[in-house]
Amino acid sequence: KQEVTQIPAALSVPEGENLVLNCSFTDSAIYNLQWFRQDPGKGLTSLLLIQSSQREQTSGRLNASLDKSSGRSTLYIAASQPGDSATYLCAVEPLSGTYKYIFGTGTRLKVLA
Amino acid sequence: GAVVSQHPSRVICKSGTSVKIECRSLDFQATTMFWYRQFPKQSLMLMATSNEGSKATYEQGVEKDKFLINHASLTLSTLTVTSAHPEDSSFYICSAVAPSGAGDTQYFGPGTRLTVL
Repeated sequence: KQEVTQIPAALSVPEGENLVLNCSFTDSAIYNLQWFRQDPGKGLTSLLLIQSSQREQTSGRLNASLDKSSGRSTLYIAASQPGDSATYLCAVEPLSGTYKYIFGTGTRLKVLA
Repeated sequence: GAVVSQHPSRVICKSGTSVKIECRSLDFQATTMFWYRQFPKQSLMLMATSNEGSKATYEQGVEKDKFLINHASLTLSTLTVTSAHPEDSSFYICSAVAPSGAGDTQYFGPGTRLTVL
């Protein structure tokens, strides 16, 4: 059974710092991995989608990497800003292609001004 | 990108009542939609897969008679929480699969916060 774990559960950093969020999954047979942002009481905003054949994806100050064989993904946020404060979720879609995402428990990020 | 809406965004009801939540794909047709629920400070858990024109497929541990799902059209799926109780209070999020030339993409709705008093 696929399990997705995110470390740390919570993170507080001063503005301007570069930071890394970690995601690990137990079954490397994935179709893709996606990073989401969730603001309090809000839905999900897709940040980056990495297909299983890809190693990384970049969007602005965000860079996500994928090492499928080791079951790890990282989300790198450069020059963090208070507006980046949110919960970041990673989710994997199994190789079966059923579209059923399995979510991690999230990392609650707070960027201090 | 494609848009998925949910209505209502927030609902408060008394214990024992039923609540219907709508999930709509606004600019695409979705043969498959999913319903997730999220308890405070926990991750999203898949509840069921909603397929247009057929019965929903429920994940293990989800009561199908408690959470009624109807996918009557290619743009609308509804989740009805029957005889709601305080333990049903949660954040419910739907997603819809949009076919695209580069492979199907899943889009998430904004969520519905249900509070049962």
